[in-house]
Order: sequence, then structure tokens, then C-alpha cells
Amino acid sequence: GAVVSQHPSWVICKSGTSVKIECRSLDFQATTMFWYRQFPKQSLMLMATSNEGSKATYEQGVEKDKFLINHASLTLSTLTVTSAHPEDSSFYICSARDELAVNEQFFGPGTRLTVL
Amino acid sequence: LAKTTQPISMDSYEGQEVNITCSHNNIATNDYITWYQQFPSQGPRFIIQGYKTKVTNEVASLFIPADRKSSTLSLPRVSLSDTAVYYCLVGVSGGSYIPTFGRGTSLIVHP
Repeated sequence: GAVVSQHPSWVICKSGTSVKIECRSLDFQATTMFWYRQFPKQSLMLMATSNEGSKATYEQGVEKDKFLINHASLTLSTLTVTSAHPEDSSFYICSARDELAVNEQFFGPGTRLTVL
Repeated sequence: LAKTTQPISMDSYEGQEVNITCSHNNIATNDYITWYQQFPSQGPRFIIQGYKTKVTNEVASLFIPADRKSSTLSLPRVSLSDTAVYYCLVGVSGGSYIPTFGRGTSLIVHP
């Protein structure tokens, strides 16, 4: 099946710094990608919908200036956590929809962010 | 978006069949039902998808009654490695579908 990769798989940073997480669809094109955040023992919470060539659509309560999303190509979306704080520590997961396989959604392996 | 309701947790033993039911009373005509499995610190993994009646693949079966207001994921002869959280999602991929997760069911398989 189709593969979605994320990089890095884990990152530790100091409070106040910015961290970029990449999400790539490896063998298919994805006009739309989704970014989720998951806290321990909780479900995935949708943060934003990333659309290639246009601005992302953020869910209510998600600060767009803090979580910058760029979807510059059909195979890459990036999430930048700006001025990270300890409360931003979480597991970030992206997913991508294969435009040629209408009903299939593929998820990345996730990125563990720890802010000290 | 169709809301889903699942049991929060289930326990089973190795070799048993496990059935996890998901309620989705306001499912729309064009909605598909998809189940995912998630292990700790990993992304969700697709298990099975269906629209109506029964679907079976190499790892699971999905039973959907005629009214489609619920669905049951059946895992035959579970093993310890099936311990995970299972999510059912309802919607139509493509177009404006946004995969939204409910609370999921935490399945623990005991020796």
C-alpha cells in the first residue's frame, strides 16, 4: 500500500525554539494532507487540513500563527511549531489521501515532540 | 460528520474472537466505514473498510447491518500483538471528507 513518511520521528528542543516536521507521500500524490496531535492516552485531534498550493484550514482552537503549515508540493507538507513551549509536547501525526484511490487515507508514523 | 460511539475498552484472551461494535446512527448515504488500529507511539494503520453487508480480508471481518447505523469489527483468534486501540471512522474519502477520530476502543489481549 501507499506510504506516508514523517521526519523526524522524534525531536527534543528548548522552549522558545521552532521545530519543523515534514510529511511526505512516498509513492502517490496528495492534494490534501491532515495534521493531528495526540496526547498520551487520548485520541487523535485534528489540527488542520493542508491543501497543496493554498492556505491550510485550521480547526477551532488551533493557533495558525503558532502551527505553520506549508503544502508546497503534491508530496510534501510541513508543520512548523513556532516558539515551542512544554505544553506543545505531543505526538504529531500526518495523513494523506491518495487522489487516485478515493476511499483510502494513509497515516504517517508520527513525530514525538518534547519541549524542555 | 457522523459521530461514532465505541466501548472505551475491552479485554480478551489469546485465541479468542473479539468483536468491537461501533455505533454511527447518523451515517450518511455515501459514507463508508473504516477501521484503524493504533499501537503506542505509532500512526494509525488501516484494517478494513466497508459500505454494507460483510467485508473480509486477511486480518479481520467487518459486519454492517442493513440500516448501517452500526458496524462490528471482528478479529479472529487474537494474539498478544493485537493489543492496541481500534478506531472506527465514518465518512467519504475524497471530496470534503475529513477523517475525524472518536475515542477508540482500547483492546487488551491477555495470555
